[in-house]
Amino acid sequence: AQSVTQLGSHVSVSEGALVLLRCNYSSSVPPYLFWYVQYPNQGLQLLLKYTSAATLVKGINGFEAEFKKSETSFHLTKPSAHMSDAAEYFCAVRDTGRRALTFGSGTRLQVQP
Amino acid sequence: DTGVSQDPRHKITKRGQNVTFRCDPISEHNRLYWYRQTLGQGPEFLTYFQNEAQLEKSRLLSDRFSAERPKGSFSTLEIQRTEQGDSAMYLCASSLGELTNEQFFGPGTRLTVL
Repeated sequence: AQSVTQLGSHVSVSEGALVLLRCNYSSSVPPYLFWYVQYPNQGLQLLLKYTSAATLVKGINGFEAEFKKSETSFHLTKPSAHMSDAAEYFCAVRDTGRRALTFGSGTRLQVQP
Repeated sequence: DTGVSQDPRHKITKRGQNVTFRCDPISEHNRLYWYRQTLGQGPEFLTYFQNEAQLEKSRLLSDRFSAERPKGSFSTLEIQRTEQGDSAMYLCASSLGELTNEQFFGPGTRLTVL
């Protein structure tokens, strides 16, 4: 079964600093990959998705992620953190042929002033 | 608001009681999903509908859980004889039947079983 690993359950950065949230997946066949953000007491909002069209994917709010097949990774980055970026971030994968998403355990991002 | 809606947003119940949650998907979406999210974890898949047909169920969906989507629009998730371990956020999502199957999530129903 597909699995997703998010290294670091908590990440703290200073406002204006680079944000790097790590995600590795287990499939040998490139799946569909997603990053979602969840604010307190809210549902999940899609940040970006990888669908094999391009390895560097740009999303909303200045986030982007790079698909690296050789590393089975899909890390999320943002050049300059903003206070409003503080939230929980989830990486998710969907195998071709399945409809359900498999999520990682999440990374809580704190942004210090 | 044309997003996914869920009702109620919060439910507190006593152990052994039955509860039912409702999800209204985005109107043109034919696929609907239920996930469960416990504190500090990512969502876990429970079940999936395409129109009114329930096509996939997770092993997490015990016999006490039942989901329906009778007319291919809204869906209900019922938990019978609730247990404290059922306390979680129950998330509903919907999608179109396209290649990437991008899922749009509702705000969730937080269940607390006392």
